[in-house]
Amino acid sequence: EAGVTQSPTHLIKTRGQQATLRCSPISGHTSVYWYQQALGLGLQFLLWYDEGEERNRGNFPPRFSGRQFPNYSSELNVNALELEDSALYLCASSLILAGVEQFFGPGTRLTVL
Amino acid sequence: SQQGEEDPQALSIQEGENATMNCSYKTSINNLQWYRQNSGRGLVHLILIRSNEREKHSGRLRVTLDTSKKSSSLLITASRAADTASYFCATDEDNYGQNFVFGPGTRLSVLP
Repeated sequence: EAGVTQSPTHLIKTRGQQATLRCSPISGHTSVYWYQQALGLGLQFLLWYDEGEERNRGNFPPRFSGRQFPNYSSELNVNALELEDSALYLCASSLILAGVEQFFGPGTRLTVL
Repeated sequence: SQQGEEDPQALSIQEGENATMNCSYKTSINNLQWYRQNSGRGLVHLILIRSNEREKHSGRLRVTLDTSKKSSSLLITASRAADTASYFCATDEDNYGQNFVFGPGTRLSVLP
């Protein structure tokens, strides 16, 4: 069974541009979570989607947004990129009713120059 | 301040020794989980302990939870070089129980 996949692996943008990151959850998982991990820091919760709807949002500005598609894959969009947005962005998926273990993808490393 | 703070921030031991990492949190929880991250990659789930459990084992891993002290510990016995990684604890917030708060992690180095 395939795990959580993310694309691209690396993304280089310049300040002010927009970045789009993609995530495909494990088959059958309806919940997708996005986390930001800045260098040397822990994970900061960004967004949680389930059944196509945003369920919860972390303490991030509105230029961080996303969506979940009918096939449960998800996109994270970051507008007006700032240097401090450089980080590893991790996506995780879970079965909402089957416990709380989250399965993580390998991440997308975003570098803002 | 941050929920789920690990301590120490970094730990260096010899192969074969035991490694103990601690996690403290501030609010009540339903469960606490430990994850491992290798070299800035995705996280791997290690173990989940519920608030009504005090101790849990999985292979060479032993996790304890003390809800009165709002703390947890992760013990890795007979460590191996392959255990070198960052270890994070994650606690659930009181929001559907689905929202996790991760600490900054403990960076474990196991020297051969």
